[in-house]
Amino acid sequence: AQSVTQPDIHITVSEGASLELRCNYSYGATPYLFWYVQSPGQGLQLLLKYFSGDTLVQGIKGFEAEFKRSQSSFNLRKPSVHWSDAAEYFCAVGAGYNTDKLIFGTGTRLQVFP
Amino acid sequence: GAGVSQTPSNKVTEKGKYVELRCDPISGHTALYWYRQSLGQGPEFLIYFQGTGAADDSGLPNDRFFAVRPEGSVSTLKIQRTERGDSAVYLCASSVDRADTQYFGPGTRLTVL
Repeated sequence: AQSVTQPDIHITVSEGASLELRCNYSYGATPYLFWYVQSPGQGLQLLLKYFSGDTLVQGIKGFEAEFKRSQSSFNLRKPSVHWSDAAEYFCAVGAGYNTDKLIFGTGTRLQVFP
Repeated sequence: GAGVSQTPSNKVTEKGKYVELRCDPISGHTALYWYRQSLGQGPEFLIYFQGTGAADDSGLPNDRFFAVRPEGSVSTLKIQRTERGDSAVYLCASSVDRADTQYFGPGTRLTVL
């Protein structure tokens, strides 16, 4: 069965530091992969997605992610974190027909210290 | 333009009662999805509509849960005989068509006392 694992429940970084959030997936075919961010009281906002092609994907707010098939990973990165990046981050894989059904990981809560 | 909206934003009910949660998708989006997010968890798929029909309802936990989208736009998630375990945030998303990016609403927080 398809699944997504986000091994880090909570990460704390200093403002200006680099960030990497880990995501591993289990899926039999070529996956459609997503990163969403959820701020308190807000809906999920799409940061970036990978469907095919270039394995390094650029997203909004300065985020990027790299698809590594050999490692079944899709880690999210940002070179310099801002205080406003503090939020919950979810990795998801599209299951069913293309992306009919998203399967989410349990999320990583990012805390940013000034 | 307007995003996905959900009403109410909060709903408190008593065990055994019936509740309805409403989702207004982005205009023109043919696909609509419901997810449930329990505390400390990621969203969990419930049901997906393409137009008026439920294309995949494999995530509905039991027959107390039902959803409709009679005119292919607004959708209502209905929960009968609510249980305390139904307490969660219910998220709705829509997309232009299947296999397109899903845009999420702010959710309805359901609390069953």
